[in-house]
Amino acid sequence: GQQLNQSPQSMFIQEGEDVSMNCTSSSIFNTWLWYKQDPGEGPVLLIALYKAGELTSNGRLTAQFGITRKDSFLNISASIPSDVGIYFCAGLAARGETSGSRLTFGEGTQLTVNP
Amino acid sequence: NAGVTQTPKFRVLKTGQSMTLLCAQDMNHEYMYWYRQDPGMGLRLIHYSVGEGTTAKGEVPDGYNVSRLKKQNFLLGLESAAPSQTSVYFCASAPPETRVSYEQYFGPGTRLTVT
Repeated sequence: GQQLNQSPQSMFIQEGEDVSMNCTSSSIFNTWLWYKQDPGEGPVLLIALYKAGELTSNGRLTAQFGITRKDSFLNISASIPSDVGIYFCAGLAARGETSGSRLTFGEGTQLTVNP
Repeated sequence: NAGVTQTPKFRVLKTGQSMTLLCAQDMNHEYMYWYRQDPGMGLRLIHYSVGEGTTAKGEVPDGYNVSRLKKQNFLLGLESAAPSQTSVYFCASAPPETRVSYEQYFGPGTRLTVT
């Protein structure tokens, strides 16, 4: 099956630092989604990307859909303590009833921000 | 508008017992999904549904059954619980495939322990 390699697995940073994480795949995806999961909660959608090369921002978060359609990147600028959590990438290869529009998830990046 | 809700939030079962997890969404979404989340393994798809009365197997379906009798509800059943099914279970839903965008929305999760 399809697999997403997400890195790094964990990050420990100081408040105010910028953060970068990425996902790579051997397969092409048509859509990339980035989620954040707070402890004890469900994942919450941060950014959705629909076109190769697309660069999209949501506040201090910026994500890019790789040109090859096999990777995606998420950057967080000027981190704050509430950025703590697990960040997941997810790729969508095919939409529609036949495929169920199923997502493939990365294993997550655990982010810790020290005040 | 409650989004995606899950009941119960916590449950402890003994090996061999059965239970049903309920997922409900009030967004009129066609697609619904059940995932399990285990440490270091991200989210894995158990079963999914592309509409009322339909279900299909995901990545890890063994030991689980599902039903989608009503569009807004998606039930996950464990007929004979095993310790390997100790996990956090998340339900998600997605809007109709005719929309340009694609986003899955998650519930808050059910933490299940099987002893």
